[in-house]
Amino acid sequence: AQRVTQPEKLLSVFKGAPVELKCNYSYSGSPELFWYVQYSRQRLQLLLRHISRESIKGFTADLNKGETSFHLKKPFAQEEDSAMYYCALSPSTGRRALTFGSGTRLQVQP
Amino acid sequence: EPEVTQTPSHQVTQMGQEVILRCVPISNHLYFYWYRQILGQKVEFLVSFYNNEISEKSEIFDDQFSVERPDGSNFTLKIRSTKLEDSAMYFCASRGGQGGQPQHFGDGTRLSIL
Repeated sequence: AQRVTQPEKLLSVFKGAPVELKCNYSYSGSPELFWYVQYSRQRLQLLLRHISRESIKGFTADLNKGETSFHLKKPFAQEEDSAMYYCALSPSTGRRALTFGSGTRLQVQP
Repeated sequence: EPEVTQTPSHQVTQMGQEVILRCVPISNHLYFYWYRQILGQKVEFLVSFYNNEISEKSEIFDDQFSVERPDGSNFTLKIRSTKLEDSAMYFCASRGGQGGQPQHFGDGTRLSIL
């Protein structure tokens, strides 16, 4: 069975500090990994996916297959980064239903 | 940018009643999904739909649930005989047909069962 673990419910940092939101997964095959963000009262929005290897809003995430991790990082947090962040996994084939982690709330304080 | 739209934003229903949640996926998308999030819990997969049939469903998606794409644009989730524990946020999502395309989510419908 596939599982996504986000160990931190809340991460509070000061503006300008580095941020790392942890995500670990378990899956027997080759997964696709995603980070979704949910700003206050807004929809789930795709932030990153591992296959595109891009940086969005200064965030990056590297898939580490050895450690089965896909941590989200940003070198300098901004107040507008405050949101709920969800790590998600889907099989790389088939209908690709997403399995979500429980989410981490990021609070960036001024 | 095209969006997935869901109606209503909030639905209040008496226990035992039927409810239909509506979604309009992005127009050229081929795969459709329903997820739910009970307050304080994680987002959980319910069902996926492709080529006018259910392609995958979770253990949550039992006989009280059904999905339909009645007219080529709407994608509906019906819950028969609702229970208190059906109270949750229900999200619709869609994605394009090419491999690796991400799912795009709607704003969700908050379902409250009294």
